[in-house]
Amino acid sequence: QTVVTQEPSFSVSPGGTVTLTCGLSSGSVSTGYYPSWYQQTPGQAPRTLIYSTNTRSSGVPDRFSGSILGNKAALTITGAQADDESDYYCVLYMGSGIWVFGGGTKLTVL
Amino acid sequence: EVQLVESGGGLIQPGGSLRLSCAASGFTVSSNYMTWVRQAPGKGLEWVSVIYSGGTTYYADSVKGRFTISRDNSKNTLYLQMNSLRAEDTAVYYCVRGIYGSGTYYHAFDIWGQGTMVTVSS
Repeated sequence: QTVVTQEPSFSVSPGGTVTLTCGLSSGSVSTGYYPSWYQQTPGQAPRTLIYSTNTRSSGVPDRFSGSILGNKAALTITGAQADDESDYYCVLYMGSGIWVFGGGTKLTVL
Repeated sequence: EVQLVESGGGLIQPGGSLRLSCAASGFTVSSNYMTWVRQAPGKGLEWVSVIYSGGTTYYADSVKGRFTISRDNSKNTLYLQMNSLRAEDTAVYYCVRGIYGSGTYYHAFDIWGQGTMVTVSS
């Protein structure tokens, strides 16, 4: 049973930088897992931020960036704003038409 | 405008069946890979199923054998037939388009519907 791991919660100050990560219970995340990131505010559908590790989706500001850091995928928010306070989900493609989401990170901006 | 609109959710008893629909506009469902993602109340996102342009389908272990994804090309609509429903299937179900371009699958999702709520309870 593959488990995709994310920090349950994180806090950042307005204007600060935060890096959220996405790992595997066993093994390392590489670009071959095509990591992607989604932002969700309460009561809303998710919004696509990053796909294929580091490609920003249309309309996403460049203060959101994706990368591989060590053995995990990472989402970095530079210059955090109040409306960045959301839940963030990563998903990894496992191959053979199967995806697994991480449990999500609740980001607080204060 | 590229849009997905789900319908068909509701309250259903355990063991019952329900069919969700997802009407697409602004693009052709059959030319893309389409997925269903669900979210139980207060929980995270869970990938459920995918159908590729060629018709190949895949399912999460949690729904395999009970759910069937399909599409009607003439109606540009995606479906999810859900049988033998259980309490743990209670969730908002999102219809989502996969990202594909220039012959490349990016194995991610871009356009999300607003979701439809399914409640399995007696």
